[in-house]
Parts: sequence; structure tokens; C-alpha cells
Amino acid sequence: DTEVTQTPKHLVMGMTNKKSLKCEQHMGHRAMYWYKQKAKKPPELMFVYSYEKLSINESVPSRFSPECPNSSLLNLHLHALQPEDSALYLCTHRRGDTQYFGPGTRLTVL
Amino acid sequence: AQSVTQLDSHVSVSEGTPVLLRCNYSSSYSPSLFWYVQHPNKGLQLLLKYTSAATLVKGINGFEAEFKKSETSFHLTKPSAHMSDAAEYFCALYNQGGKLIFGQGTELSVKP
Repeated sequence: DTEVTQTPKHLVMGMTNKKSLKCEQHMGHRAMYWYKQKAKKPPELMFVYSYEKLSINESVPSRFSPECPNSSLLNLHLHALQPEDSALYLCTHRRGDTQYFGPGTRLTVL
Repeated sequence: AQSVTQLDSHVSVSEGTPVLLRCNYSSSYSPSLFWYVQHPNKGLQLLLKYTSAATLVKGINGFEAEFKKSETSFHLTKPSAHMSDAAEYFCALYNQGGKLIFGQGTELSVKP
């Protein structure tokens, strides 16, 4: 089983709101990723956590704040987003060279 | 630099006919290559992967892909398309820095 769960499935927020996306996996894999995906485009890497430490930040604006409180959980805190941040946000965990994707959170910023 | 090129942005086939989705890669070493499928408003599902054990790789749902080093290609095929195969398909290469390098995607349409 390679399951990744993401909550919520859908999120609508205003530009002044603060919200969080959650990702969970129980495979014990120590590399976890956040991606942003626009319609009809490939996923774009945002952050990588390895052993609960941030190892890659792809120059993501500070209004996105990742957190990895333990080896099973990955959060993405959102604050003061812009309408152009509306997208599908995908979480993955990696075993060896293979990444397994969660179902995503569809975010709409009004 | 490594890269992945999907040669068709859109492919349309009739149900029951073969599917061919083309992917070329560029890498200075023998890469790990992947095909993912994405249905509307869903995450990416791993179809198959190549990691140098065998050049012909079988995946889920009747898909397979052949790694051809001389042509730097990793094309995805299926003998007979089904309506449920209609989706976006992404070819990807694993970067030794821990990243996936994606192609731009191919949208597969299946006509009844």
C-alpha cells in the first residue's frame, strides 16, 4: 500500500484568510514533497522534506509555509494568497526513486 | 541538463484501437523513467517505471513501455484503448537530486 491522504479535497479562501493543507502517509518513507499543478500542466515542485527537514525550497513565495511535524505528516500553511495561487496542490512520498501522489487539494482563492 | 519531451500534446484514438504516447528523454546517465496517468481532478497514478532491470516494462491497465537507449525514448503503448483510458499522461525522469523532471503531458481522447 502506497496510499497518501490529503485534506481537505476542496478549499475556497479569500485573500486575507489563513488556512492549512494536510498530507499524511503511514509507509514510513522519509521524503515528502509538495507540488502545485495548474490545469493541463505538469506538477511544479514547491518543497521537499527529507527526514522531517526542509531540503529543497524552489523559491516559493513566503505566503506558502511548509511544516513537517513528524515522519507521517506534512502541512502547507497558506496566508495572504493571490488568485493566481488557485491550483491543485499535490503531496507525494518517495520510496527509492518512485514518488506516490496523493489525490490533491483543489484550492480556489477569491 | 536532464529533460523530458512528450512529442504530442493531444492524441485521439477510437475505442479498441492501439494507443501510442511518445516520450523522449535527455540524460547523461541511465535514468529511471516513469509514466503517470491523471484523470480529471485526481492525483497522478503511477502506470509503470523503468529502472534498468528490463527494457520492456509492463504496467497497470494493460499499458507497457519500451526503453530504447539508442533512441533516448520511452514510448507508452496499449494494444486496445478503452473509454476509461481517456486522461492526461505524464512521462517523467528521476533526477539524482531527488526531483522528478516531467514532460508537458499528453491528453488522450478515446472516441466510441
